[in-house]
Amino acid sequence: ILNVEQSPQSLHVQEGDSTNFTCSFPSSNFYALHWYRWETAKSPEALFVMTLNGDEKKKGRISATLNTKEGYSYLYIKGSQPEDSATYLCASPRDTGNQFYFGTGTSLTVIP
Amino acid sequence: NAGVTQTPKFQVLKTGQSMTLQCAQDMNHEYMSWYRQDPGMGLRLIHYSVGAGITDQGEVPNGYNVSRSTTEDFPLRLLSAAPSQTSVYFCASSSRLVRGSGEQYFGPGTRLTVT
Repeated sequence: ILNVEQSPQSLHVQEGDSTNFTCSFPSSNFYALHWYRWETAKSPEALFVMTLNGDEKKKGRISATLNTKEGYSYLYIKGSQPEDSATYLCASPRDTGNQFYFGTGTSLTVIP
Repeated sequence: NAGVTQTPKFQVLKTGQSMTLQCAQDMNHEYMSWYRQDPGMGLRLIHYSVGAGITDQGEVPNGYNVSRSTTEDFPLRLLSAAPSQTSVYFCASSSRLVRGSGEQYFGPGTRLTVT
């Protein structure tokens, strides 16, 4: 079993704070690193897919970086808002690139 | 576009019963997959398909069968339900531009309870 690990497991921040989470994945046989946002009672929605070492992606106040050599990715949220409250998942496709392994997620709560 | 649809949304089965969870997508995606979500475990891949007629096992395939006769549909069959299969099941699809690089679109999920 190839582990994708996320930290922290949960996070509570005040509105306006900036925050970041980590996703660790095996660095060998790398295909891509995915970030998903999962709101309560909804389905996961894709935020970013990154494939190249050094990739940086940005969507509004959310950004992500990728280091494939050391096997980690960071997700940053600048100026957190209550609507950012969700679980953030990362996933790494392995083997032939068709088998996705998900981390257990970071649960973010933004306190107004 | 409806995206990825799943039926039913909720289901209760007795141990030993069989059933099929339906999944359909209207985005002409080649890749489709089934996951189960259990507390503390994250999403785990059950089976996947890279095109009509092609399926393969994921991380937790035991007790489940799949088939892919069309691009649009990817049903998941529970052969003989067990309480350990109580879970929330998600179907997902993506295009396969380059292996592993297509973002996945998830269905709304099916909550299954086996008593």
